[in-house]
Formats: sequence, C-alpha cells, structure tokens
Amino acid sequence: DARVTQTPRDKVTEMGQEVTMRCQPILGHNTVFWYRQTMMQGLELLAYFRNRAPLDDSGMPKDRFSAEMPDATLATLKIQPSEPRDSAVYFCASGLGLGETQYFGPGTRLLVL
Amino acid sequence: KNEVEQSPQNLTAQEGEFITINCSYSVGISALHWLQQHPGGGIVSLFMLSSGKKKHGRLIATINIQEKHSSLHITASHPRDSAVYICAVSRGNEKLTFGTGTRLTIIP
Repeated sequence: DARVTQTPRDKVTEMGQEVTMRCQPILGHNTVFWYRQTMMQGLELLAYFRNRAPLDDSGMPKDRFSAEMPDATLATLKIQPSEPRDSAVYFCASGLGLGETQYFGPGTRLLVL
Repeated sequence: KNEVEQSPQNLTAQEGEFITINCSYSVGISALHWLQQHPGGGIVSLFMLSSGKKKHGRLIATINIQEKHSSLHITASHPRDSAVYICAVSRGNEKLTFGTGTRLTIIP
C-alpha cells in the first residue's frame, strides 16, 4: 500500500533553532507539495516541485524557509531560524501532476516555543 | 472574497441523515477536489472531478461548471464520517486553492 511518509511526526523546538522536515513521496509520483495548516489560515501551499525542480515557492517566507528535493525519493523543508509563528502542521503531498489527485502524508506537527 | 467558499462551516446531524456540503468558486477551473481530514489530522483525497458526478460508496460529488458550484453528499451518514471536508480548485498548471473547510459531526 503506497503512501507518503513524513518525519518527524512531532517536533518541539525552541525559537531560533533549525528545523528540518522530511518527506518520502510515493514512488513514481513526479510532483511534490509542501503545505502548512494552522487554525487561523487553514491549508496553505508553501512550495511544490515537478520532477525535482522547484516550480513555485511563493508561499514560503524566503528568509527563513527553504525546500529542496535532493533526489526523487526525498523532499526536505527547512526552517532556520524557527519562530513561534511557525508552529503548525506541515503536510507533504505527492501526485502525478498539478491538476491530479494529491496523496497526503500524515503531517509533521511543529511547536516552536 | 475568497476564491473558494464552502457552506456550511459547521454541520451537526444525526446518524442516518443525508448530508450535503456545498462549495462555490469564483474563477474558471480545470478540476475541483474534495478532501477529508479526520480528527487525527490525516488528509485523504476523496474526489477529483471536472464535470458531472462521481460516486464512491456512500459519497457522491457533483459539479456544475456553469454555476461554478459543487456539492458533496453523504448518504446514510455514520459517526465515522465525522471530519472536516475541504474543497479545493485547480486551474491548469496552477496550484490548488483551498476552501476553509466544513466541520461535520454525526451524532449516534
């Protein structure tokens, strides 16, 4: 049963620390998305990749967030330095294209103190 | 005004009732997605449709492109259907735009 995996599932850190979240997309999927979900804003797209190339990262605060795909089986989202307002659940999703069905990972729940 | 509006925001119903959740959008789209987020937080894609109707088990999704409106129906609702249902639209190669979700609670 293919599924998107994310690590860690939960992360508590102090303000100013670096946070790295990892995602393994479903094998064969060529599009990977990073989302953030908060109570106030709901689901927001941070960045997405097609064939490992970043297509749109306009949703990310560029000064502190970075997203990469070192290879087809790994996507990373880094926050440096982290701030309390970054506390949220971060979801990774993968699919076969922008307009296609997206398969979501279980999310990383981040709390920045 | 949001590009994607959902109604109602919250819905509580008795087990067995027929449920309808609505989604309206203001721009031309290539596809509309219905997602389900359970209390544990996981998100599941239920449907992607660009015209007509799709059915999966007790769930039915319809879309009217001319009216820019979609509905998600649940027949014979059950407490395990309790979740947040999210509508999202995509336009060609553009990213998904999400509605704010409808929180559904089914009481036994």
